[in-house]
Order: sequence, then C-alpha cells, then structure tokens
Amino acid sequence: GIQVEQSPPDLILQEGANSTLRCNFSDSVNNLQWFHQNPWGQLINLFYIPSGTKQNGRLSATTVATERYSLLYISSSQTTDSGVYFCAVEYSGAGSYQLTFGKGTKLSVIP
Amino acid sequence: DAGVTQSPTHLIKTRGQHVTLRCSPISGHKSVSWYQQVLGQGPQFIFQYYEKEERGRGNFPDRFSARQFPNYSSELNVNALLLGDSALYLCASSLVAGVEQYFGPGTRLTVT
Repeated sequence: GIQVEQSPPDLILQEGANSTLRCNFSDSVNNLQWFHQNPWGQLINLFYIPSGTKQNGRLSATTVATERYSLLYISSSQTTDSGVYFCAVEYSGAGSYQLTFGKGTKLSVIP
Repeated sequence: DAGVTQSPTHLIKTRGQHVTLRCSPISGHKSVSWYQQVLGQGPQFIFQYYEKEERGRGNFPDRFSARQFPNYSSELNVNALLLGDSALYLCASSLVAGVEQYFGPGTRLTVT
C-alpha cells in the first residue's frame, strides 16, 4: 500500500513563530487532506488539497502532486495551534475511497 | 448544520463482549467511513459504505462488521472484544465517495 511520512514528528515553537510541516507520499494520489486533532480527539478539517496552494488565515498548504509531497505552513503560531497535525491521502491503488494517514506531527506552542 | 455525530462518547467493555457504535453523517452526505485510532498513531481505515453498500474494507478481522441504513446513518459492530480493540473509533462522512471527508468526535472504547 501507499506510504505516508510526516516530518518532523515533534515540534516545539514559541508563540508567534512560523513553522512548516511536511508530508511525503509514495504513490500518486487522488486526494489529500490536512487535519488538526485537538486534545479531545476531534479531527478538524484544515485543507482539502490534492494539488496547488490554498490559504486560510494564518494557515496555508501546498501540494506538489508530481513530486509527491505536501507542505502545511503555520504563521504567527498561537497556543491554540497546539495538537497533532495529520496528513491523509486517498489513492487509486486502494480500490476504495479510503484515507491513509501519516503518523502525524505533534506541535506544542509555548507562551 | 450539525456535523457528524457519534454515540456513545465513551464506552467500557470486558474482553469477549460485543459492542455497537453509531454514527450519523452530515445531512445530505451519503458516504460513511469508519476508522480506528490507537494511541500515538494515525487513524486506520476499517470500512466505507456508500449508498448502503460496502465499498471498501481495511485490514481488520471478521469480528468487525458494519452496515449503513436507509437514512445513511451507520453502525460499527465488534464481536469478541480483545484488549487490543481499545481505541478511538472515528466516523467520517462525505457527500459522495471520493471527496472531502468530515470526521465526528469519536467513540473512545476501553476493553478491560
């Protein structure tokens, strides 16, 4: 099956700093989503971005499908940005429209 | 509009018992998927249902089963519970199969 690797696994930031999270995948994908999982386990949709660039406030994402990676940018980080960020892909080889998740990046933003 | 809802929120069961978890998709969504998330890992795909038919199954034993009802809600059943089934079970819905998925708050299952 497809491999999804996220880096870094852990990230500690001072409030106000910027960061870039990376997601590499091993095969062609139909769709890619970024999620933020809060401490209560809720997965919050950030971006649906099979290709191209999108921005939403302090967050932006870029997917380069031909090179099999996606980047999530967080600018001017806030303590509420803390949590785990997941990249998930849907690929044709799965035979169904399932999402395959990476292991996540755990972000801690300290005041 | 309400998001994806799941019940119950938390559940404690004993090894060997059976459990049923429930999910109501976003209004108008016809596809429901189930995922299992163990501590420290990303969610793993269990099942997908679209228009009441199973469209995909992950690498889980036959103790896991699911179904989708005419109103597009779904339930996940797990028989003969093992300690290793302790996890957060997440339900996701999408308008149709193959587009953006939205997740519910999950059911945290503890097997003792």
